Amino acid sequence: GDSVTQMEGPVTLSEEAFLTINCTYTATGYPSLFWYVQYPGEGLQLLLKATKADDKGSNKGFEATYRKETTSFHLEKGSVQVSDSAVYFCALEGNTGKLIFGQGTTLQVKP
Amino acid sequence: ETGVTQSPTHLIKTRGQQVTLRCSSQSGHNTVSWYQQALGQGPQFIFQYYREEENGRGNFPPRFSGLQFPNYSSELNVNALELDDSALYLCASSLLAGGPDTQYFGPGTRLTVL
Repeated sequence: GDSVTQMEGPVTLSEEAFLTINCTYTATGYPSLFWYVQYPGEGLQLLLKATKADDKGSNKGFEATYRKETTSFHLEKGSVQVSDSAVYFCALEGNTGKLIFGQGTTLQVKP
Repeated sequence: ETGVTQSPTHLIKTRGQQVTLRCSSQSGHNTVSWYQQALGQGPQFIFQYYREEENGRGNFPPRFSGLQFPNYSSELNVNALELDDSALYLCASSLLAGGPDTQYFGPGTRLTVL
């Protein structure tokens, strides 16, 4: 069945460092891909999405490119801030309409 | 435009009891999906409702049931609560029109089963 695998955390970075969180997926067909962010004690917020191969999603300085050839959707940010500390989830949605999530990656940014 | 809201925020129940969680979808959305997020895990799909009918179900037992109302709000009911049902329950709404669409999540209900 469809699945999503994320790099294990926690990822600890200093402020202004470059961020990469790896995400790979297995799916039949052509799913849409998403990154959601969860701050402590809160629900999920949509960070960015891409609906077809080679699309780049971007928001708040975060970017991810839908790579069909490597079945990947890695999240990147050029310069992280303390306020970016959160748990990041990669997810896919096929034509069933249900989201399948990775296990989440905790990011800690230190001043 | 109001976002997705859920109630209550927190809930404590004992084993064997029943619980009802509520969700109001975002304005203009006709589809509600429910997810269970255990501590330290990614959310797991429970089921989805589209225009008051169940439109897909994940690997959860029948004691997890739901409803969707004409105004597209929804309820999640769990009977015979077990300790492993302790989790954050997330509701997401979307506009289903010919295919899946982006799902927007509420803040969740934290259920603790003692």
